[in-house]
Amino acid sequence: NAGVTQTPKFQVLKTGQSMTLQCAQDMNHEYMSWYRQDPGMGLRLIHYSVGAGITDQGEVPNGYNVSRSTTEDFPLRLLSAAPSQTSVYFCASSYSPGRGFSNTGELFFGEGSRLTVL
Amino acid sequence: AQRVTQPEKLLSVFKGAPVELKCNYSYSGSPELFWYVQYSRQRLQLLLRHISRESIKGFTADLNKGETSFHLKKPFAQEEDSAMYYCALSGYQRSQGNLIFGKGTKLSVKP
Repeated sequence: NAGVTQTPKFQVLKTGQSMTLQCAQDMNHEYMSWYRQDPGMGLRLIHYSVGAGITDQGEVPNGYNVSRSTTEDFPLRLLSAAPSQTSVYFCASSYSPGRGFSNTGELFFGEGSRLTVL
Repeated sequence: AQRVTQPEKLLSVFKGAPVELKCNYSYSGSPELFWYVQYSRQRLQLLLRHISRESIKGFTADLNKGETSFHLKKPFAQEEDSAMYYCALSGYQRSQGNLIFGKGTKLSVKP
């Protein structure tokens, strides 16, 4: 049982390049999300998904795309990287989001992906 | 609007001293409040949630609806408590089920 697995752990991009951050979970969680962590800003929600085929925007979605074709996978795509997207990205998953988290368990995080855009 | 405020970026205490990490929230309904912790080079993990009314690693947090606060407390800090602490809020409604995090407080416990 690996939990939430993110790849790659580190990545350096040039401005304008595209890439995909992978996220997979083996806990059969319905809910998955992507956060970015920046110094002094805490964690900010980028996109989230409440089940396969369903995605929605979070607080800072611009410049990012997501899809959820399976329960297990929730990739985050940067279409044209910008220096402002330099950050640490965390994928997280949980059970049904319908009633908050206390009834359905905690939010499980991946180890993070550190992205630098030059 | 939902908002979580952690007023201290850094809190430094000596081993054995009491610790209080402050968290205030803004939410129109009845929120669920959580504390998450990130130790050095480890992933974020849940520390405790208000609905469980539990004590984890000596930490407790009481939800004060009148003051809209959820401060994290420990009577005697240990060096291994040094970490980044995030307060988080979730609404009950489906559309508000996402966790909203504060900006975090870095706790440093000195020997």
